[in-house]
Amino acid sequence: KNEVEQSPQNLTAQEGEFITINCSYSVGISALHWLQQHPGGGIVSLFMLSSGKKKHGRLIATINIQEKHSSLHITASHPRDSAVYICAVGPDSNYQLIWGAGTKLIIKP
Amino acid sequence: DTGVSQDPRHKITKRGQNVTFRCDPISEHNRLYWYRQTLGQGPEFLTYFQNEAQLEKSRLLSDRFSAERPKGSFSTLEIQRTEQGDSAMYLCASSLDARGDTQYFGPGTRLTVL
Repeated sequence: KNEVEQSPQNLTAQEGEFITINCSYSVGISALHWLQQHPGGGIVSLFMLSSGKKKHGRLIATINIQEKHSSLHITASHPRDSAVYICAVGPDSNYQLIWGAGTKLIIKP
Repeated sequence: DTGVSQDPRHKITKRGQNVTFRCDPISEHNRLYWYRQTLGQGPEFLTYFQNEAQLEKSRLLSDRFSAERPKGSFSTLEIQRTEQGDSAMYLCASSLDARGDTQYFGPGTRLTVL
């Protein structure tokens, strides 16, 4: 079993829909990261969370430390949101990031 | 631009050749990370520096791979005797001191080994 699990693997939605991507992890962590990767592009850090909730524009990220679960929400989705969204955790024990497999999101106009 | 930069952006080489990539982190960041990402996969950790000290190396980093950060600023990743399996995107990231700090990624260097 992977230490970081994301769901769904693939998600296709219509423009304007509310999007939720989930991340579950099995290790103790110091922080959880949500990142975005466009096709052929580099990785952009969206959020770093250690508790609670953060909001940036149309993006909202939440984390439940007790349940070892985080969600990334996109409100009023737009085709430019189409990308791979990756959850990565920074474990307590070292400085590496443990990566989820990513969720490929396609928003259709 | 004060973000993480990597050079070159693309490298095509023949099997058996040596290649070297450079990463310039955000200037005040003490930590620097190298990752490798193959097509359709998430990034895999390769190695990490705290200033000039290389503190962790993944088992993925075979003897053909070496990384340096001689002055605690830019870093180089060298691959000797490249193999076709080395073809990947090599990503560099940097962060401030605190554990769990946000890592800021460079655009990557795409290596193709023919």
